[in-house]
Amino acid sequence: GAGVSQTPSNKVTEKGKYVELRCDPISGHTALYWYRQSLGQGPEFLIYFQGTGAADDSGLPNDRFFAVRPEGSVSTLKIQRTERGDSAVYLCASSPYLKPETQYFGPGTRLLVL
Amino acid sequence: GQQVMQIPQYQHVQEGEDFTTYCNSSTTLSNIQWYKQRPGGHPVFLIQLVKSGEVKKQKRLTFQFGEAKKNSSLHITATQTTDVGTYFCAVPTQGGSEKLVFGKGTKLTVNP
Repeated sequence: GAGVSQTPSNKVTEKGKYVELRCDPISGHTALYWYRQSLGQGPEFLIYFQGTGAADDSGLPNDRFFAVRPEGSVSTLKIQRTERGDSAVYLCASSPYLKPETQYFGPGTRLLVL
Repeated sequence: GQQVMQIPQYQHVQEGEDFTTYCNSSTTLSNIQWYKQRPGGHPVFLIQLVKSGEVKKQKRLTFQFGEAKKNSSLHITATQTTDVGTYFCAVPTQGGSEKLVFGKGTKLTVNP
């Protein structure tokens, strides 16, 4: 079956602009995670959804970052007033209800803020 | 918060040599997971270890969880060029949540 998909694959924007990154999890997976990965680092947790609700958003760096999952499937990560330091690969992962410890990652969106 | 130290940061081997990466935590872990990320790719789940002293094998890969559940290792026997990539360990934050904390990874390069 299809894996986790993310769009766009690359996004170049200017400092101060607003961006939206989309994640389409594996069908039927109830849990969805957003991570950020900088060069040479491991993925850094941002937010976790169980169904439609954000179960843990403790990793969001500040209030410029927001994520939604209105119907419990597709999720959108929104970044307002982007800064150069936001440049990174944004990874989405999903996991099934009965095996929440196994996270399946998407290909990521490479965000570059100029 | 929860942290995990992973060493070495880089490892360069000749094809056919063995490779080992280590993860260490200052606190007892409920479980530890290992992921592989190929160059330009995304992390791919390899395995989860749960029990004290657990050893699991996947072909040439051997995963160990320490007796005290504070450390883990991944050993690759007779590396191949297809093993190239970065290997990450990941641990849940305390409280057993699904939120994972990743190590910085060990980047493996293999000379053919």
